[in-house]
Amino acid sequence: QKEVEQNSGPLSVPEGAIASLNCTYSDRGSQSFFWYRQYSGKSPELIMSIYSNGDKEDGRFTAQLNKASQYVSLLIRDSQPSDSATYLCAVKDDKIIFGKGTRLHILP
Amino acid sequence: NAGVMQNPRHLVRRRGQEARLRCSPMKGHSHVYWYRQLPEEGLKFMVYLQKENIIDESGMPKERFSAEFPKEGPSILRIQQVVRGDSAAYFCASSAAFTARNQPQHFGDGTRLSIL
Repeated sequence: QKEVEQNSGPLSVPEGAIASLNCTYSDRGSQSFFWYRQYSGKSPELIMSIYSNGDKEDGRFTAQLNKASQYVSLLIRDSQPSDSATYLCAVKDDKIIFGKGTRLHILP
Repeated sequence: NAGVMQNPRHLVRRRGQEARLRCSPMKGHSHVYWYRQLPEEGLKFMVYLQKENIIDESGMPKERFSAEFPKEGPSILRIQQVVRGDSAAYFCASSAAFTARNQPQHFGDGTRLSIL
């Protein structure tokens, strides 16, 4: 059974600080990794994708992938109250498997 | 709006009735995925379809649930004889091609199904 694990949180981070979200996956053959943001009552929104080991930066977001350790993380710099949401990690091999998500709360 | 379109946004059914959820993929997308999300839970994969073909239905309950993606028209997720436990948000996603590894899925706004 392929699994994607995330800490459910809530993770509370002061406004302006760095929020760090982590995800581990069980299938060593997974090739593509995605982070989605989901506001309460809304649909998931793709914010980052990463396919190679290392870091990928896009604005205030940085995705980090370590295939040897089978983890992927998302860093959010200069956290804003509008970043408060549930962040879903998704891993793709033969199908996309989603983690249960981490609830992030940015404290004003 | 070129995004994934789902309707209805909200659907209320009584136990024993049928529920039909519709999904039109993004323009140019030929792959459709259905997910179910219970409150405070993650997205659970249900079924993956291409036009006129069910590719992977490993997440579909064995009874009462069916899905199709006809040559013309939207994809339909059909739930027969609904029960209270079917109450959930049902999301549809689409992608351009599954084989290309860098093809993420884009989600519709979902259908909130409530069973009375």
